Amino acid sequence: EIVLTQSPATLSLSPGERATLSCRASQSVSSSSLAWYQQRPGQAPRLLIYDASSRATGIPDRFSGSGSGTDFTLTISRVEPEDFAVYYCQQYGYSRYTFGGGTKVEIK
Amino acid sequence: EVHLLESGGDLVQPGGPLRVSCAVSGFTFSNFAMSWVRQAPGKGLEWVSHVPGNGIYTYYAGSVKGRFTISRDNSKNTLYLQMDSLTAEDTAVYYCAKTLGNSKYCYDYWGQGTLVTVSS
Repeated sequence: EIVLTQSPATLSLSPGERATLSCRASQSVSSSSLAWYQQRPGQAPRLLIYDASSRATGIPDRFSGSGSGTDFTLTISRVEPEDFAVYYCQQYGYSRYTFGGGTKVEIK
Repeated sequence: EVHLLESGGDLVQPGGPLRVSCAVSGFTFSNFAMSWVRQAPGKGLEWVSHVPGNGIYTYYAGSVKGRFTISRDNSKNTLYLQMDSLTAEDTAVYYCAKTLGNSKYCYDYWGQGTLVTVSS
């Protein structure tokens, strides 16, 4: 099973700042099969990025993904008030599609 | 419009069984793999199980393998999760999730979740 480690656990930012979230895999993720999700309180997760760098339908371009192998990054270029939430990475390159532990982006 | 609606969550005693369901609409159900993902109170997401569109194989997380069974009825557009030998650690909101397609097993649509509580 691939273990995904997200850092930092909490990111404190002011609106308009840049957010950089990390996801590290315990072994190489095949075909960059990595996704990012946003989850707001009381809501189901929302797909932001798939295949490490492709934006899902309707996702603003301030969200971008990068990386390959074992190291992946989600960047929010300028954090908007609605972006304060928990973010999860997920690998789907191997048959047990694990999630990372999450990064909470909170208002500073 | 794609819609997923889970049901069947309940309070169940340790060791007991429970089946949750997910009724879908708005897409050709048999063309897409589906999964169950759970979230314990105040915790992160945990992938539970996966079944392809034709149901010919299944995958499970190690924490549920041998106790949970995923299945689907494509004629009824419904996904199921049969849970046996439940423990307190299985207490969670259970989400059904639709895969993106084209062998990309990430999830573009989710239900609102159904709460399973295991307690005496």
